[in-house]
Amino acid sequence: QKEVEQDPGPLSVPEGAIVSLNCTYSNSAFQYFMWYRQYSRKGPELLMYTYSSGNKEDGRFTAQVDKSSKYISLFIRDSQPSDSATYLCAMSSDYKLSFGAGTTVTVRA
Amino acid sequence: EAGVAQSPRYKIIEKRQSVAFWCNPISGHATLYWYQQILGQGPKLLIQFQNNGVVDDSQLPKDRFSAERLKGVDSTLKIQPAKLEDSAVYLCASSLGGSLGQFFGPGTRLTVL
Repeated sequence: QKEVEQDPGPLSVPEGAIVSLNCTYSNSAFQYFMWYRQYSRKGPELLMYTYSSGNKEDGRFTAQVDKSSKYISLFIRDSQPSDSATYLCAMSSDYKLSFGAGTTVTVRA
Repeated sequence: EAGVAQSPRYKIIEKRQSVAFWCNPISGHATLYWYQQILGQGPKLLIQFQNNGVVDDSQLPKDRFSAERLKGVDSTLKIQPAKLEDSAVYLCASSLGGSLGQFFGPGTRLTVL
């Protein structure tokens, strides 16, 4: 079993829709939970991070963590074509990041 | 602030050849990481440096991969000899310290024929 499992997608949604992305994990030692966005032919860039259960909002993005279920989500409201990218969840214990496989999202204009 | 620089951006080689990648981290970042990202997968940590010392190289295939960060700034990753399964994007990242603030470079896309 992989430490981090991510819904593989791909997802294709119309502009303005809500995008929902999910990951599960098995390592209880994970302390920080992150979402990265990776555009084609680019390196990943950090979108959001959180370390506690609950919701965290940043503009159109909401990160949700449920430590009891070992489940994290990212919601993108009012999605735009510029949100088309691969989204990677990542989790950290100490210094090491463990990534999910990524979900490719296409937002259709 | 300049980002993480990597070169070359693309490299095509034949199996059994050798190849080297270069990374220049963000100025002042003590920690440098090399990741391998195979198509359709998330990045996998190969090696982590703290200044010029190795913190973690547990997933580095040491029979063919080597990396160095001699002066605690730039780093090179070498593969010798390359195998078909080494085809991937090699990402370099740097941070001031800890895993949270990692900034990634654009990567080097390696194709082994």
